[in-house]
Amino acid sequence: GQNIDQPTEMTATEGAIVQINCTYQTSGFNGLFWYQQHAGEAPTFLSYNVLDGLEEKGRFSSFLSRSKGYSYLLLKELQMKDSASYLCAVRDSNYQLIWGAGTKLIIKP
Amino acid sequence: IAGITQAPTSQILAAGRRMTLRCTQDMRHNAMYWYRQDLGLGLRLIHYSNTAGTTGKGEVPDGYSVSRANTDDFPLTLASAVPSQTSVYFCVSSETNTGELFFGEGSRLTVL
Repeated sequence: GQNIDQPTEMTATEGAIVQINCTYQTSGFNGLFWYQQHAGEAPTFLSYNVLDGLEEKGRFSSFLSRSKGYSYLLLKELQMKDSASYLCAVRDSNYQLIWGAGTKLIIKP
Repeated sequence: IAGITQAPTSQILAAGRRMTLRCTQDMRHNAMYWYRQDLGLGLRLIHYSNTAGTTGKGEVPDGYSVSRANTDDFPLTLASAVPSQTSVYFCVSSETNTGELFFGEGSRLTVL
């Protein structure tokens, strides 16, 4: 079966760096997405990786290793507003998105 | 502001009732999706449409139906609501079936 694994919850300190991991087993691969979702709101797009390597976008970076079925989202200079859930999703060979359950990130002062 | 509009944003419904969640997008996106989100689970695909006039079943289609008469509208109907359909429903669009997803604000449905 297809599966996306990510930690359920993580805690980090304001101003610090946090890495949220995502591992996947899917039938084929056509890209990996990271979305941010604040409580009670809709998910919003953060990043998209289809080739191996690191994609940097401001304080957020996303890394992909297709051979390892692994991605991470790196958040630098954490701010209180970064408290949210972070969703990892993979497009399989049929272009369907498989979603992880999300990682709830708690930022402490 | 262009985007996706869902209605209603919140609804309490008696079991057995019929309910339609409306979704309209003004981005002229070809692909549209309905997901449900439940605590502790990833987003699960109910139905999708790659283009106007076509629809397909997702991971959890039972109890739900959709139609795609035109590019902009993609309503989701619960023919006879059951308590297990209590969830937050997101309507989503994408320019193609490989592109970034754009989410509506969500519809919180409670079936009693």
